[in-house]
Amino acid sequence: DTGVSQNPRHKITKRGQNVTFRCDPISEHNRLYWYRQTLGQGPEFLTYFQNEAQLEKSRLLSDRFSAERPKGSFSTLEIQRTEQGDSAMYLCASSPNTGNTEAFFGQGTRLTVV
Amino acid sequence: AQSVTQLGSHVSVSEGALVLLRCNYSSSVPPYLFWYVQYPNQGLQLLLKYTTGATLVKGINGFEAEFKKSETSFHLTKPSAHMSDAAEYFCAVSDDGNNRLAFGKGNQVVVIP
Repeated sequence: DTGVSQNPRHKITKRGQNVTFRCDPISEHNRLYWYRQTLGQGPEFLTYFQNEAQLEKSRLLSDRFSAERPKGSFSTLEIQRTEQGDSAMYLCASSPNTGNTEAFFGQGTRLTVV
Repeated sequence: AQSVTQLGSHVSVSEGALVLLRCNYSSSVPPYLFWYVQYPNQGLQLLLKYTTGATLVKGINGFEAEFKKSETSFHLTKPSAHMSDAAEYFCAVSDDGNNRLAFGKGNQVVVIP
């Protein structure tokens, strides 16, 4: 499968715990994006990378959220001290370097905080 | 900042009838506009996009959309609905084509036999 892969697909965690999600983009895609989708809403942009450089992180929802892409390939999104309001679908997408190109989305990781 | 408005979260359409999903956008610069479709348990899939040039854009599965600057709209249409069109549809806008997208709330399309 050469699409965007996200793991795990589902995560249930207790409030206050830390969680980490992984995204493997399509190989040779330089850009990688994280979005969050809550019930009844469209995806909301969080952050994105150009290779290993995080080019925008102002949209991350709080300082409990952080993302990395250390080698310019896979990326991780971490949420510390989870809250019930963090329950959502977390989507990853990737695209080639040039603009005006399609972003390919993964199936997402569904987080439930209990 | 750019934004998108999609009205009517659920849209019911009879099989064979016209599908019309409305999208209005707000952008401070000439926009890049997109329609995505999401089938159950699948990732978002691009239906079509407008960047520059021809304002009538044709996409996959018989869908098309027309960019109307004067109306700040990018409505999605398909002449004849098929059962396989049942899915959630999202309109999105970007101000720089870099896939930092602002999505609407989506329309859940139900096709009635």
